[in-house]
Amino acid sequence: GAVVSQHPSRVICKSGTSVKIECRSLDFQATTMFWYRQFPKQSLMLMATSNEGSKATYEQGVEKDKFLINHASLTLSTLTVTSAHPEDSSFYICSARLEGAFFGQGTRLTVV
Amino acid sequence: QKEVEQNSGPLSVPEGAIASLNCTYSDRGSQSFFWYRQYSGKSPELIMSIYSNGDKEDGRFTAQLNKASQYVSLLIRDSQPSDSATYLCAVVDTGRRALTFGSGTRLQVQP
Repeated sequence: GAVVSQHPSRVICKSGTSVKIECRSLDFQATTMFWYRQFPKQSLMLMATSNEGSKATYEQGVEKDKFLINHASLTLSTLTVTSAHPEDSSFYICSARLEGAFFGQGTRLTVV
Repeated sequence: QKEVEQNSGPLSVPEGAIASLNCTYSDRGSQSFFWYRQYSGKSPELIMSIYSNGDKEDGRFTAQLNKASQYVSLLIRDSQPSDSATYLCAVVDTGRRALTFGSGTRLQVQP
């Protein structure tokens, strides 16, 4: 089946630094990928829609200058959390839709 | 604000019983509906998709859709302790291609 690979699975960073998360579609081309965030005991909330070759579309309340999204190819989207703060600690998950969304493994970000 | 509503649970059933999970959605134009299973600390895993009114069966799982009532359900037959997880209902937002998720129902299957 379709596979979406996300890396890294876990990262700890210091407050004020930046972290890049990669999301790859391994056996299909994805012109659109989605980035979600999930806080403990809460559901997935869409952060942004990543569009290959164009600007990402951000959901209301998500700072585009803080969460930089790049979708330079049909198989790779990246999310960079800039100037991370402890409140950015969360589970970040990417997905690509092909007969229902397929999700990456998720990235557990902890900002200390 | 388009919403997907689920009872947070926990829903506790004995091993071998049928677990019934329910979901309602507000976007009447929605056409695609999904059920995901999520274990603690893991990303969601697709269980079922359903697009037409009625039932759709896959192994021990049956998804039911009633668009008139804006209601989706998931039945799990012969529940196993390994089915214990949070089950997320998701609906494709007609205004965009992303999924809108419910808050999830935590299922506990007691051995």
